[in-house]
Amino acid sequence: KNEVEQSPQNLTAQEGEFITINCSYSVGISALHWLQQHPGGGIVSLFMLSSGKKKHGRLIATINIQEKHSSLHITASHPRDSAVYICAVSRASGSRLTFGEGTQLTVNP
Amino acid sequence: DVKVTQSSRYLVKRTGEKVFLECVQDMDHENMFWYRQDPGLGLRLIYFSYDVKMKEKGDIPEGYSVSREKKERFSLILESASTNQTSMYLCASSPIAWAEAFFGQGTRLTVV
Repeated sequence: KNEVEQSPQNLTAQEGEFITINCSYSVGISALHWLQQHPGGGIVSLFMLSSGKKKHGRLIATINIQEKHSSLHITASHPRDSAVYICAVSRASGSRLTFGEGTQLTVNP
Repeated sequence: DVKVTQSSRYLVKRTGEKVFLECVQDMDHENMFWYRQDPGLGLRLIYFSYDVKMKEKGDIPEGYSVSREKKERFSLILESASTNQTSMYLCASSPIAWAEAFFGQGTRLTVV
């Protein structure tokens, strides 16, 4: 079993829909990261959080440390949101990130 | 604007060739990382470095080596490229181990 599990693996939505991507992890962490990867490969960090909730524009990330679960929400989705969204955790011990397999989001106009 | 730059976006190399992938960051970060990304497997850590001339193996170091002679530069070396090393390679840096990581644009390497 992977230490970081994301769901769903693939998600197709219509423009304007509210989107949720989930991430569960099984290790002790110091922080959880949400990353975005557009076609072509470059990865951008969206959020790093260790508790509660963060918001940036139409993106909201939440984390529940007790349940070892995080969600990434996109409000009023747009075709330009189409990308792979990756959850990663910084372990409480050690210096490396552990990644989920990613969620491919496609938003159709 | 912070920047991690990888030397090539696309590379095609022949089996057995020695391949160098270069990564430079301009943020004075201590930590630098090399990952490979394959469909269905996500990102996997090959090597990382937490200081100049320091390196540690990641999860899949076999067939790779690294070099960090200067703080800003972290090189990934494929000593003798093989077809199973065809992949997307991503470099990243961060100021401290658990802080936000900044990624390069990736190098898509094809070994034929």
